[in-house]
Amino acid sequence: AQSVSQHNHHVILSEAASLELGCNYSYGGTVNLFWYVQYPGQHLQLLLKYFSGDPLVKGIKGFEAEFIKSKFSFNLRKPSVQWSDTAEYFCAAASSNTGKLIFGQGTTLQVKP
Amino acid sequence: DVKVTQSSRYLVKRTGEKVFLECVQDMDHENMFWYRQDPGLGLRLIYFSYDVKMKEKGDIPEGYSVSREKKERFSLILESASTNQTSMYLCASSFGSRAPRDEQFFGPGTRLTVL
Repeated sequence: AQSVSQHNHHVILSEAASLELGCNYSYGGTVNLFWYVQYPGQHLQLLLKYFSGDPLVKGIKGFEAEFIKSKFSFNLRKPSVQWSDTAEYFCAAASSNTGKLIFGQGTTLQVKP
Repeated sequence: DVKVTQSSRYLVKRTGEKVFLECVQDMDHENMFWYRQDPGLGLRLIYFSYDVKMKEKGDIPEGYSVSREKKERFSLILESASTNQTSMYLCASSFGSRAPRDEQFFGPGTRLTVL
């Protein structure tokens, strides 16, 4: 069955620390990958997405993610987090056959000022 | 800007009641989706629709039904609410029919409590 797994459920960092959130997917064919973010009290919104081409994709607010096909991974990174990055982050994947997204369990990031 | 609105932010219902959750999008999107969001489980797809009067089951459709009479409106129906349906419900829409690359735009969510 298709699935998306996020390894870190709750991450606490100090400002300026580097961030890496893990995401692994299990899909048989071509896959489209996304990271969404939900800031406190706000709608879920897209951070970045990968379809093809350069496996290193850049998103909003200084976030980037790397697609490693051999590891079925799409980890999210940011070199230096800010207090305003406190949010819940969701990795998601969609197969090429449908528009359905499958989400991971989510990672809550708390950045201490 | 795409706007997805949901009829209520908070809703409290009693077990056995019929519950309607409404979602409206204003960008002429083909696709609409209903998810529930629970701590530790992420978002799980309940139902989705690629066109008016058309619906497909998602991963957890039991206990739910949907209606899409107009392109901009997608309703989620709990025929007989139960306590295990207490959750945050999120509606989303995206542009192209069945296009897996399109960003989904989400509404603010409805937090439903079933007593």
